[in-house]
Amino acid sequence: QQPVQSPQAVILREGEDAVINCSSSKALYSVHWYRQKHGEAPVFLMILLKGGEQKGHEKISASFNEKKQQSSLYLTASQLSYSGTYFCGTEIRMNYGGSQGNLIFGKGTKLSVKP
Amino acid sequence: IAGITQAPTSQILAAGRRMTLRCTQDMRHNAMYWYRQDLGLGLRLIHYSNTAGTTGKGEVPDGYSVSRANTDDFPLTLASAVPSQTSVYFCASSDTRTGVYNEQFFGPGTRLTVL
Repeated sequence: QQPVQSPQAVILREGEDAVINCSSSKALYSVHWYRQKHGEAPVFLMILLKGGEQKGHEKISASFNEKKQQSSLYLTASQLSYSGTYFCGTEIRMNYGGSQGNLIFGKGTKLSVKP
Repeated sequence: IAGITQAPTSQILAAGRRMTLRCTQDMRHNAMYWYRQDLGLGLRLIHYSNTAGTTGKGEVPDGYSVSRANTDDFPLTLASAVPSQTSVYFCASSDTRTGVYNEQFFGPGTRLTVL
């Protein structure tokens, strides 16, 4: 049930773009994205719901393809502060259309932005 | 505003000892969660509570117990610690009552080493 994230790691120069993908084998109710800096707690970035609704960070965009059970996080014009490990968390959609209620996290994508 | 606090920050524990990790939130969130984070495995849900008085099992509940006597506190107990429980433990909370945007807020974590 654990979603698969790709790539596992990416190194960028400041100003470059990156895409992080999250794929699930289960029907999804929502996808959450979090960023964790070394030694710190994960911090919420964005949530994407089925039907196209989303809420999150102004400078970060993401997409959610409900049919393919996939989400992508787009980091444009990366800054040094974007460095960290990015996790997607998926809410499984139940047969009645609602959420299972809990998040299942992927193993993370480590992003390093160099000057 | 504290958000979520966890105690202790770190602990070294002898195998076989009993240990309780504390978690307190001041956001009046109905839902609370305990995760463990191990290198390369991401965040795995141990136990959760959707409201005071109720708890549920997550992905890796064996060897752990929780209680939710009130809204603010959600302690995690290791009855008899084993070395495989060496990990970083994160507590999180969210307001799921709206059923829509239920981002999770994480505490700073407890680093536990079982020898």
